[in-house]
Amino acid sequence: SQKIEQNSEALNIQEGKTATLTCNYTNYSPAYLQWYRQDPGRGPVFLLLIRENEKEKRKERLKVTFDTTLKQSLFHITASQPADSATYLCALNQAGTALIFGKGTTLSVSS
Amino acid sequence: DSGVTQTPKHLITATGQRVTLRCSPRSGDLSVYWYQQSLDQGLQFLIQYYNGEERAKGNILERFSAQQFPDLHSELNLSSLELGDSALYFCASSRGASGHQETQYFGPGTRLLVL
Repeated sequence: SQKIEQNSEALNIQEGKTATLTCNYTNYSPAYLQWYRQDPGRGPVFLLLIRENEKEKRKERLKVTFDTTLKQSLFHITASQPADSATYLCALNQAGTALIFGKGTTLSVSS
Repeated sequence: DSGVTQTPKHLITATGQRVTLRCSPRSGDLSVYWYQQSLDQGLQFLIQYYNGEERAKGNILERFSAQQFPDLHSELNLSSLELGDSALYFCASSRGASGHQETQYFGPGTRLLVL
């Protein structure tokens, strides 16, 4: 069956460290993969999009990798800050234009 | 602020009832997407409209229907409501038809509670 799994449900790290979140998928062949941030009670906010022919994408302190052989994307936040605390969702496309979301990883950054 | 508006913010109703959720996309966006988010299922894609036409369909129940009007706002109708329909309902919009390869902008959501 098709699955998207985001490592642990919760990740706790100290301020200044690098947070690494994992998104693994099974029985999908996505051409695109996106990462969103969601704060409690609010709508998701787009962060980064990466294409299947791109290995890595960066935006400020954020970095995303996409390995279609391993069927995995890694999302890194360097020099993490308490303000980075949120739930991070990965999303990929199946056939057509629909985005399928993982259940998310909740990141807590302590000062 | 994403520019996507949703009304109402909260809705409390009883089983068996029918409700309508409303969404206005960002100015210039032609696609509207509806998602349901519950604690156990995560964010589930329901349906997409592009410029008034249905574009893609996800796990939308037959009791649910949607439409997009000429001014591009969209409504999601939920009928014969059940307790399990209690969830956050999000609307998102994008410029073009291909939401998987462009940014989707999410609204603040409507929290539906069915008692």
